[in-house]
Amino acid sequence: AQSVTQLDSQVPVFEEAPVELRCNYSSSVSVYLFWYVQYPNQGLQLLLKYLSGSTLVKGINGFEAEFNKSQTSFHLRKPSVHISDTAEYFCAVRVKQSNQFYFGTGTSLTVIP
Amino acid sequence: DTGVSQDPRHKITKRGQNVTFRCDPISEHNRLYWYRQTLGQGPEFLTYFQNEAQLEKSRLLSDRFSAERPKGSFSTLEIQRTEQGDSAMYLCATTGPRSSGELFFGEGSRLTVL
Repeated sequence: AQSVTQLDSQVPVFEEAPVELRCNYSSSVSVYLFWYVQYPNQGLQLLLKYLSGSTLVKGINGFEAEFNKSQTSFHLRKPSVHISDTAEYFCAVRVKQSNQFYFGTGTSLTVIP
Repeated sequence: DTGVSQDPRHKITKRGQNVTFRCDPISEHNRLYWYRQTLGQGPEFLTYFQNEAQLEKSRLLSDRFSAERPKGSFSTLEIQRTEQGDSAMYLCATTGPRSSGELFFGEGSRLTVL
């Protein structure tokens, strides 16, 4: 089974500051990578995904992530956060040719005015 | 709105009662997943269907839990003889036939067992 590690459970950051949410996965095979955002009492919404090609992936709401195969990482970044970015963020992995998804435990991002 | 709908959104029940949740997927999505999420945790896999066939079940899915997807359309997740430890958000998600497809989640059904 795969494992997905989100090293930071809580990240407080001031409004308009940059942020990085870290994600590492354990896999010796090829994977697809995803970041989801969850607002309170809602389901998960896709922010961005890496399937192949360029290792820098741009998503919605100004977020981007970089796939690093050698470090098995897929960190999420935003250069300037807004209050509305306060939410829970989940990293997920899907092994190629598999129908199974693995999720990290989430990072709670709090944007401070 | 992802196109995946779940009902009910909230359910409060007493310990020992049975509850059923329903998920209506995006029509062309043939794979349907159920996850459980507790506070401060990521979604934990329970089971998934490809069309009407239930292909995999997690060890988390005790014999009190049963899921169905008749005719490969909507799905139900039933919990019998609920326990307080069953209190959680139950998430339904679907994906299409492409092997690289992402999951589309419903809004979830929150269960509180008193």
